[in-house]
Amino acid sequence: GEDVEQSLFLSVREGDSSVINCTYTDSSSTYLYWYKQEPGAGLQLLTYIFSNMDMKQDQRLTVLLNKKDKHLSLRIADTQTGDSAIYFCAERYSSASKIIFGSGTRLSIRP
Amino acid sequence: DAGVIQSPRHEVTEMGQEVTLRCKPISGHDYLFWYRQTMMRGLELLIYFNNNVPIDDSGMPEDRFSAKMPNASFSTLKIQPSEPRDSAVYFCASSDTTSGANVLTFGAGSRLTVL
Repeated sequence: GEDVEQSLFLSVREGDSSVINCTYTDSSSTYLYWYKQEPGAGLQLLTYIFSNMDMKQDQRLTVLLNKKDKHLSLRIADTQTGDSAIYFCAERYSSASKIIFGSGTRLSIRP
Repeated sequence: DAGVIQSPRHEVTEMGQEVTLRCKPISGHDYLFWYRQTMMRGLELLIYFNNNVPIDDSGMPEDRFSAKMPNASFSTLKIQPSEPRDSAVYFCASSDTTSGANVLTFGAGSRLTVL
């Protein structure tokens, strides 16, 4: 079936790295995405990775893709209070352009 | 571009009433998606359109829900009659597949409360 799974909560100390994990179902997904949602707002794209890549780095963000295990992760280095938000993993199905989201991981930052 | 525009931002209605949510996608985008967000079920895909044509409506909960896209700059999601369990935030998003990545741009959402 169509299912993207994430843990619901993550708490990290300010300045530490945050790692948010995701598993997806379609082994031939073409693109995988990370979106961020701040309170009362819509989702905004953080980054995406094409399925033929293993890693993508963009400033404080590092995305790792393990196609064999259908596992995607997002690492945020030097986590700041402004990073508090809900982070969604999503996959684009190869057979169509439908994009399915996980339930989101709520990241909270403690001092 | 002003981004994806949704209206109303907030709607409170009584059970049994008709609700119409509206969306204006980004000009030139060829895909439009409707999602529903609740605490219990997360972000669910309801329906999506390509060039104004519905492609997959398998996520529409039941016959009370309908969506249309009469032209490239406007879409509606209608619930009739509404029920308390329809209370959620409804998001519209559009994308441009010519870039390949099909990155979605979301609207700010319409928060629906059905009493």
